[in-house]
Amino acid sequence: AQRVTQPEKLLSVFKGAPVELKCNYSYSGSPELFWYVQYSRQRLQLLLRHISRESIKGFTADLNKGETSFHLKKPFAQEEDSAMYYCALLAGVRLSYGAGSYQLTFGKGTKLSVIP
Amino acid sequence: DSGVTQTPKHLITATGQRVTLRCSPRSGDLSVYWYQQSLDQGLQFLIQYYNGEERAKGNILERFSAQQFPDLHSELNLSSLELGDSALYFCASSVADRSYEQYFGPGTRLTVT
Repeated sequence: AQRVTQPEKLLSVFKGAPVELKCNYSYSGSPELFWYVQYSRQRLQLLLRHISRESIKGFTADLNKGETSFHLKKPFAQEEDSAMYYCALLAGVRLSYGAGSYQLTFGKGTKLSVIP
Repeated sequence: DSGVTQTPKHLITATGQRVTLRCSPRSGDLSVYWYQQSLDQGLQFLIQYYNGEERAKGNILERFSAQQFPDLHSELNLSSLELGDSALYFCASSVADRSYEQYFGPGTRLTVT
């Protein structure tokens, strides 16, 4: 079974400092990984996915298959980055009649607090 | 606003009781997912429906069941409630059956006393 591990429950950094939120996974298939974010009083939402290799709000994440990691990074933290961050892995199987059965497995989340 | 609605927002009930949580997906989304979020377990996938059909099952207890209706709204039924069932229950929706981009609702907070 797949597993996603976020070793830090809480990460506090000063404004302007670099941020790295750690995520490790275990999965026997080809992984598709994502970061979701939940800002205060807002809903959980997709931040970025590894396939796109894009930078969203200054955040990037690189999939390292050798280390089975997908760490989220930002060079200079901003106060508005304070939120809960969840790493997620998409796993699924193709059913016999052609349909798919997929699920997102989430890590337990890391609360990022950016200190002014 | 992502468009996913959940009712009720809060629910307080006693052990042994049964409750029903309701979810309406975004307009046009065919998939509905249910998640349970507790302090110790984090966000756990329970079950997925796609266009009325069950597609994926996670760590859903036998006391829990769900369905998706022809109008695509979904209900999660929790029975023989225990104290440990107290949690936030989220619903999410997506357009397709294989979608990493899920749109989450605000959640229903269930407290079992």
